[in-house]
Amino acid sequence: SQQGEEDPQALSIQEGENATMNCSYKTSINNLQWYRQNSGRGLVHLILIRSNEREKHSGRLRVTLDTSKKSSSLLITASRAADTASYFCATDPYGGSQGNLIFGKGTKLSVKP
Amino acid sequence: NAGVTQTPKFRVLKTGQSMTLLCAQDMNHEYMYWYRQDPGMGLRLIHYSVGEGTTAKGEVPDGYNVSRLKKQNFLLGLESAAPSQTSVYFCASNGRDRGYSGELFFGEGSRLTVL
Repeated sequence: SQQGEEDPQALSIQEGENATMNCSYKTSINNLQWYRQNSGRGLVHLILIRSNEREKHSGRLRVTLDTSKKSSSLLITASRAADTASYFCATDPYGGSQGNLIFGKGTKLSVKP
Repeated sequence: NAGVTQTPKFRVLKTGQSMTLLCAQDMNHEYMYWYRQDPGMGLRLIHYSVGEGTTAKGEVPDGYNVSRLKKQNFLLGLESAAPSQTSVYFCASNGRDRGYSGELFFGEGSRLTVL
């Protein structure tokens, strides 16, 4: 069962612009993670935000988490063509075990040079 | 440092044939997972393992079997392949039990086509 739902499904921007992707989920969580997938490749972990955190930064990435709205956003600032990829949110459900993350369907980002 | 390695990367099967996908990790992780990725469906968990000799069902286990005889290897088997099993399969590992953050490390994927 899909927990996270990303929005939008696809996003096309120019190089240098900011890209914002949103994720909504249904149940309480321990943490929420964002992954990137380049075409034909495996997923790569970007950032993890815990349920008691509201904002986290990593380089050009900024993630926010609103547990009251059960939503998160990923902001990529000053985007580059190399940021073109699909981005997935994944939730670690509260009370879950074995690290069984639940993935959303992803946002496909296209950054035009 | 290889991380997570999947073999084979590509395979074409006929309906009813069997095959095994191999996943190997060199990070000494206890937890390993098999996901499938289909267009518009995201990643769905097939089976997982929390340690050598243990396996458990995920969200979509039907038609698949797994084995974890060695800590570093996690095998995914299809006993009688069906066209509905055409997908890209990803293996992942997680060092969660040693206080890791829960980050998953993924292989590059195995693209399976069942005719």
